[in-house]
Amino acid sequence: KQEVTQIPAALSVPEGENLVLNCSFTDSAIYNLQWFRQDPGKGLTSLLLIQSSQREQTSGRLNASLDKSSGRSTLYIAASQPGDSATYLCAVTPGGTSYGKLTFGQGTILTVHP
Amino acid sequence: NAGVTQTPKFQVLKTGQSMTLQCAQDMNHNSMYWYRQDPGMGLRLIYYSASEGTTDKGEVPNGYNVSRLNKREFSLRLESAAPSQTSVYFCASRNRAANEKLFFGSGTQLSVL
Repeated sequence: KQEVTQIPAALSVPEGENLVLNCSFTDSAIYNLQWFRQDPGKGLTSLLLIQSSQREQTSGRLNASLDKSSGRSTLYIAASQPGDSATYLCAVTPGGTSYGKLTFGQGTILTVHP
Repeated sequence: NAGVTQTPKFQVLKTGQSMTLQCAQDMNHNSMYWYRQDPGMGLRLIYYSASEGTTDKGEVPNGYNVSRLNKREFSLRLESAAPSQTSVYFCASRNRAANEKLFFGSGTQLSVL
């Protein structure tokens, strides 16, 4: 059974810092990996999706990398801002299916203070 | 463009009552999903529908039923609510190809007393 772990569980940084969130998964036979953002009381918003054949994806100040063989992904946030405060979740889609049975990590709660 | 719309946003039930959570998407997506989110447990898949007319169990289907009414709508029914079903429920959708991003609704907070 695929297990997804996110470290750290919570992170507090001052505004302007660059930071890295970590995601690891136990079964490397994945189809893709997604990073999501969740604001309190809201649904999840997809930030980046990395296909299993890709090494990284970038969107603005966000960069996600994937090392499938080692079962790891990182989300890099450059020049963090208070508006980045949220919970960040990663999720993997297993290989061999197109039905989107994602397995989610439990998330990293990020607080960026002014 | 509303995306994924869930109703209601909040609901309180007594043990044994029934209710249906509604979900509709306007993005012409093939696949739709129901998740529940609990502290310490993360997001867990209850049921999903790969396409109109099909439904399949996810990780935690017991106590729930679903209906894919048409391509837009996917409902989740609790026939006899239990306190263990207190949770936040999310509906999501995406195109059938697994390389498409998943879009979520804003959630239903359900309390069963």
